[in-house]
Amino acid sequence: NAGVMQNPRHLVRRRGQEARLRCSPMKGHSHVYWYRQLPEEGLKFMVYLQKENIIDESGMPKERFSAEFPKEGPSILRIQQVVRGDSAAYFCASSGLDGYTFGSGTRLTVV
Amino acid sequence: SQELEQSPQSLIVQEGKNLTINCTSSKTLYGLYWYKQKYGEGLIFLMMLQKGGEEKSHEKITAKLDEKKQQSSLHITASQPSHAGIYLCGADQSPRYGGSQGNLIFGKGTKLSVKP
Repeated sequence: NAGVMQNPRHLVRRRGQEARLRCSPMKGHSHVYWYRQLPEEGLKFMVYLQKENIIDESGMPKERFSAEFPKEGPSILRIQQVVRGDSAAYFCASSGLDGYTFGSGTRLTVV
Repeated sequence: SQELEQSPQSLIVQEGKNLTINCTSSKTLYGLYWYKQKYGEGLIFLMMLQKGGEEKSHEKITAKLDEKKQQSSLHITASQPSHAGIYLCGADQSPRYGGSQGNLIFGKGTKLSVKP
């Protein structure tokens, strides 16, 4: 069991570019969550998805951020027109009957 | 909304000493998770507690959830440099039925340093 796979591990984008972060959940898990961790802060929930469905996006910024979890393939967190304030570690977690498992995260740096 | 307060924010201990980290909630905790995070890395699952009064141990780490289910503690016995990192508590915001439903909320973490 490969666990929750996130890629890339590190991503550098210039201001105004788009960032795409990918997450493949653990085998057998059908729930995916995205969290953001800003420097010196805890993890903040962004969005919760099941296949082809957004269940809760109450933590997502209203603009520039979107997420999807298609029928086939990984979940994608997309940030359009990135700004310096988007620099953070983005973690994906998946859950099943055995609880939550986190990926190693994607560290986004906006220059 | 529910908030989790962790204390202390940071801790420096001498190798071999015991230590305790606390996680307190303003509301009932339906599920309490402890994770460890090394700087720049992902979260490593340590333990999950659900029942009031529950206690779990793994190697030198013991976690407890109080009877009222509003406070949890993480105790490390005879600390080692390998225990250094950031310890995060996370909680389910609603009862879990047949699997995880909904997101976790997290405390801000406790940074532990162990001096050799």
